[in-house]
Amino acid sequence: AQTVTQSQPEMSVQEAETVTLSCTYDTSESDYYLFWYKQPPSRQMILVIRQEAYKQQNATENRFSVNFQKAAKSFSLKISDSQLGDAAMYFCASSPGNMLTFGGGTRLMVKP
Amino acid sequence: DTGVSQDPRHKITKRGQNVTFRCDPISEHNRLYWYRQTLGQGPEFLTYFQNEAQLEKSRLLSDRFSAERPKGSFSTLEIQRTEQGDSAMYLCASSPPVRSGNTIYFGEGSWLTVV
Repeated sequence: AQTVTQSQPEMSVQEAETVTLSCTYDTSESDYYLFWYKQPPSRQMILVIRQEAYKQQNATENRFSVNFQKAAKSFSLKISDSQLGDAAMYFCASSPGNMLTFGGGTRLMVKP
Repeated sequence: DTGVSQDPRHKITKRGQNVTFRCDPISEHNRLYWYRQTLGQGPEFLTYFQNEAQLEKSRLLSDRFSAERPKGSFSTLEIQRTEQGDSAMYLCASSPPVRSGNTIYFGEGSWLTVV
């Protein structure tokens, strides 16, 4: 069984600043994938970034990057130069195959 | 835009009634998923189809729930004899026919309120 834990129910960041969202996971699989999804108030889940567990290099997508620590089973998301449009629920998820297991989410607020 | 489409977006029903949700995946995607999300929680996996075959079912999918995907295109999720605990958003998602771990694309969800 897989579990994903997001220990920060809410986070706040000033516009243009950097924020890091935490995620830990537990899996017995050796090959798996990790994801961060964003769910704005309109409720559609959008992929932010993904990481293959066999890759040591941390994934980066523009202002979004991850810090993947495989031994510690940690997968944090860093958002640089935060924008008002980044305000949303962020979900960490893991997948050894076809099924995603999600964490409980972190609500990110961006202050102008 | 040809993203994942779900219908209806909102449904209010009385306890004991049956409801059905429809999902149209992205056209070239052969994998289709249903998730359930309650307020303040992350989505929980319900079931997964590859083409028309239902390959995985969660224990959350009680015998009052049934999902189908005839001809491997659209899918329906039916809830019989609804209960107040069924109130949630039902998310549909799809992914293309490549190796597992590929990006899963979500629809906007169908909100169910059971009164």
